[in-house]
Amino acid sequence: SQQGEEDPQALSIQEGENATMNCSYKTSINNLQWYRQNSGRGLVHLILIRSNEREKHSGRLRVTLDTSKKSSSLLITASRAADTASYFCATADSWGKLQFGAGTQVVVTP
Amino acid sequence: KAGVTQTPRYLIKTRGQQVTLSCSPISGHRSVSWYQQTPGQGLQFLFEYFSETQRNKGNFPGRFSGRQFSNSRSEMNVSTLELGDSALYLCASSPDRETNEKLFFGSGTQLSVL
Repeated sequence: SQQGEEDPQALSIQEGENATMNCSYKTSINNLQWYRQNSGRGLVHLILIRSNEREKHSGRLRVTLDTSKKSSSLLITASRAADTASYFCATADSWGKLQFGAGTQVVVTP
Repeated sequence: KAGVTQTPRYLIKTRGQQVTLSCSPISGHRSVSWYQQTPGQGLQFLFEYFSETQRNKGNFPGRFSGRQFSNSRSEMNVSTLELGDSALYLCASSPDRETNEKLFFGSGTQLSVL
């Protein structure tokens, strides 16, 4: 079973727009991570936020974490065609075991 | 540094056969995790190895097994293949056993079972 659930399942936007996706999880976590996957390839780590953090930035990425609601959001600002990919959240428990959500497919059109 | 290397990239097998997939982690990484990715089930955790010991295991039948060698390279084996085993199998390595704060993924092995 999966720990995280992403919403929406798919997102289509135009270049320059912002893309927001959400992740909800069920049990307590040590940290939450976001990964990107280009079609049929391996995942690439984007950003990590710890359970005692509320917001984190990395370049055009902004991640928030609300542990009371067991949810996180990933915002990609000023999207580019190269941002077209699937985005996954992954929750890590205290043992370091990572479980991934089902992912959000993002398509950015020029 | 070379990235995580998975071989083979593609594999076609028939039902009932067995298969072995290989993963070479990034040099210095001692933790190796395996995931199965399918369109319907998403990314499912198979198992994780650290220093040749299985540390975590997902909810897969005993047909799925793995091991890790002293050089941290890992293999996973699937016996008595079923059609539902068709998937992209991803290996990931991490330098940090305790928290797995960042996984480095290989490109995967695409297994098709006919």
